[in-house]
Amino acid sequence: AQTVTQSQPEMSVQEAETVTLSCTYDTSESNYYLFWYKQPPSRQMILVIRQEAYKQQNATENRFSVNFQKAAKSFSLKISDSQLGDTAMYFCAFSYGGTSYGKLTFGQGTILTVHP
Amino acid sequence: NAGVTQTPKFRVLKTGQSMTLLCAQDMNHEYMYWYRQDPGMGLRLIHYSVGEGTTAKGEVPDGYNVSRLKKQNFLLGLESAAPSQTSVYFCASNTGSSYEQYFGPGTRLTVT
Repeated sequence: AQTVTQSQPEMSVQEAETVTLSCTYDTSESNYYLFWYKQPPSRQMILVIRQEAYKQQNATENRFSVNFQKAAKSFSLKISDSQLGDTAMYFCAFSYGGTSYGKLTFGQGTILTVHP
Repeated sequence: NAGVTQTPKFRVLKTGQSMTLLCAQDMNHEYMYWYRQDPGMGLRLIHYSVGEGTTAKGEVPDGYNVSRLKKQNFLLGLESAAPSQTSVYFCASNTGSSYEQYFGPGTRLTVT
């Protein structure tokens, strides 16, 4: 079974600075997807960014980008120009491709606090 | 378009009581899921369904039952609640042809 590990329980950053959240995963499969979800205090789960394993190019969504290192099984999230609204719990998640029915395996989460 | 809704939002149960959590989606999604969120453990899959009338076990199914009699609804039941089931429960849905899951707002359940 796959596992997802987030080794940073908490992180903090000053507004307008850059922060990187780490995630590693373990799988023997080659067809899979990786995700970062944001959970603000409202508790709503919000998809931040998605990466297909077969794509070599790192995904980018505005201020959010990933560093996908397939051989190292690493999937970090970089947040540039941090904003107060980025304060949230961030979850890394994994899903097999093919007939996995989209089931997600989550990491433990990282609490990010953005300070003014 | 309400997306994914969950009822109730909060509930307190006594040990041994039963209850049903309702998840509804109006996006005509094929797949639906129930997760529980506990501190330091992320979200874990309880049960899931890949279509009306189907259900399957996830990572932590013990103590829960589910039903999907209608495509838009996915029910999670606790027959005899235990304090270990104190958690936040999330429902999610997926079209079946993409890998993005749409989450409901969550239900906070406390079992005393």
